[in-house]
Amino acid sequence: RKEVEQDPGPFNVPEGATVAFNCTYSNSASQSFFWYRQDCRKEPKLLMSVYSSGNEDGRFTAQLNRASQYISLLIRDSKLSDSATYLCVVKNSGGYQKVTFGTGTKLQVIP
Amino acid sequence: DAGVTQSPTHLIKTRGQQVTLRCSPKSGHDTVSWYQQALGQGPQFIFQYYEEEERQRGNFPDRFSGHQFPNYSSELNVNALLLGDSALYLCASSGTANYGYTFGSGTRLTVV
Repeated sequence: RKEVEQDPGPFNVPEGATVAFNCTYSNSASQSFFWYRQDCRKEPKLLMSVYSSGNEDGRFTAQLNRASQYISLLIRDSKLSDSATYLCVVKNSGGYQKVTFGTGTKLQVIP
Repeated sequence: DAGVTQSPTHLIKTRGQQVTLRCSPKSGHDTVSWYQQALGQGPQFIFQYYEEEERQRGNFPDRFSGHQFPNYSSELNVNALLLGDSALYLCASSGTANYGYTFGSGTRLTVV
């Protein structure tokens, strides 16, 4: 089983739609969680951290479910500029805090 | 405040050759991690450097080696290049109070 798993998509949604991505992780000792955004042929950029209580940043909401070992990202009122690949990232506990990326979920917002 | 800088941006090499990629971390960051990202895949962890030592390593062969300098900059060396080494190589830096990583724009390596 992969350490971090995501549905690769693509998710094709119309402008204004709400879309949700899920990500599962295998290591129950995982400590920190993030969503990164990666545009085509560019480097990943931190979108938001994911906190246990859930957190929101504008149109973006992240949730963590430790019992089921998954995290989610919800995007409301999708914009064309949201089209990108969204990478789920998990940081494990321990001295060296290994960081593992999922393969990413591709989102295409359609006019 | 400069972010993470990587050089070169693009590189074409022949099978069997050796390559060195360079990374300067974001100001205030002391940890450098290297990732390989093949087309359509997520970044795969190669290794991480802290205090000039490799402190953890992913599932990559010994052909991949690295170095960190006293100014925290880092190099990634790949020997005996294979076609499968063609990828985007990303450097990410972080600090002691690190949250997420800051990535450089990457070096796109093509092996022919």
